[in-house]
Amino acid sequence: NAGVTQTPKFRVLKTGQSMTLLCAQDMNHEYMYWYRQDPGMGLRLIHYSVGEGTTAKGEVPDGYNVSRLKKQNFLLGLESAAPSQTSVYFCASRDPGQGAQDTQYFGPGTRLTVL
Amino acid sequence: LAKTTQPISMDSYEGQEVNITCSHNNIATNDYITWYQQFPSQGPRFIIQGYKTKVTNEVASLFIPADRKSSTLSLPRVSLSDTAVYYCLVASGAGSYQLTFGKGTKLSVIP
Repeated sequence: NAGVTQTPKFRVLKTGQSMTLLCAQDMNHEYMYWYRQDPGMGLRLIHYSVGEGTTAKGEVPDGYNVSRLKKQNFLLGLESAAPSQTSVYFCASRDPGQGAQDTQYFGPGTRLTVL
Repeated sequence: LAKTTQPISMDSYEGQEVNITCSHNNIATNDYITWYQQFPSQGPRFIIQGYKTKVTNEVASLFIPADRKSSTLSLPRVSLSDTAVYYCLVASGAGSYQLTFGKGTKLSVIP
């Protein structure tokens, strides 16, 4: 199992450009999440999905859109990138069917710089 | 979502036992306590989870008092490779869609 993978690993954008970050998981998990982490900060939830075809807003959703067309993939889009979106983006998946074992599995992260 | 409070940073010498305490005064009856570890340039990874009393695995121990308003992560005989940020989370498992990460505790292990 590859676990959770993220594409790309690094990206530099100019202000106003758009891009899509791809997250894929091979564990058949229902829940998937997108977080951002700024220097010296914890993770902040951007959007999440509790199943194929569903998405919901997290703590900091403005400027981002997401889609979950397939259970194994969760896409994060930036329509018009801004310097404030410079951050490291982490994707995670979780299986609520395991009951109390509340384990999120994280990807390696995407480091995005917006100039 | 229950809010958690942890020390911002801690230092320890190699070989010592390290205890990191997390405060969660408004924990709900169904909430579990989970700890994650994050190394630089990596995503967080699960360490341990518990509901009450004591839980131990090959990596750490988790102590939870009867009132469950706090918890202590114990790392035995730390090494340099334990230098990381440790996050305490409180959530109710399957019914909790969102999990809130605070700023965590940055542990620095000194040779």
